[in-house]
Amino acid sequence: SAVISQKPSRDICQRGTSLTIQCQVDSQVTMMFWYRQQPGQSLTLIATANQGSEATYESGFVIDKFPISRPNLTFSTLTVSNMSPEDSSIYLCSVEGFTYGYTFGSGTRLTVV
Amino acid sequence: AQSVSQHNHHVILSEAASLELGCNYSYGGTVNLFWYVQYPGQHLQLLLKYFSGDPLVKGIKGFEAEFIKSKFSFNLRKPSVQWSDTAEYFCAVIRSGNTGKLIFGQGTTLQVKP
Repeated sequence: SAVISQKPSRDICQRGTSLTIQCQVDSQVTMMFWYRQQPGQSLTLIATANQGSEATYESGFVIDKFPISRPNLTFSTLTVSNMSPEDSSIYLCSVEGFTYGYTFGSGTRLTVV
Repeated sequence: AQSVSQHNHHVILSEAASLELGCNYSYGGTVNLFWYVQYPGQHLQLLLKYFSGDPLVKGIKGFEAEFIKSKFSFNLRKPSVQWSDTAEYFCAVIRSGNTGKLIFGQGTTLQVKP
């Protein structure tokens, strides 16, 4: 299965600032996915990132708040913009593999103060 | 909207006890089903998955799950748990052909007492 490296692993940020989370995969993948896990809740898909095209966002998530880059087939970034305490969550990236399901990165634990 | 429900939020068992974690989903079409585990301080790992075929699926570490289509269920089982099974368990569903959009349950925290 693919190996995903995600950084930073955690951060504490001031409200109003932005944080960019990086996701690196050890093999080329067509699609990468970004999820959010709010405290005490389950994982929710934020968006799907395809190389060479704009990300596709799920209902409730917008590009201005969560801009995504996908410059090549092994890398993606998610930015959490103009942060508020409600953005405190774990953010995870994921890739698909038909035979092994979906693989997840180790996550970025974000605390906004 | 499609949803996944895990019946137990927090389960406490003694070692060697049997485990069954419930998972029900709401979508009536063809689905792929997953159980993920997250050990303390670690990332999500795939325990097992069901795409088609035999509805009884065996995964890693002695876990198995049974897909019962008529009940929209995909319950996770293990005959004898160990202290090392202490973790959070997530059931997830995806509509066939709906790449990437996993719908997760709320998760079940399993605590195994030695």
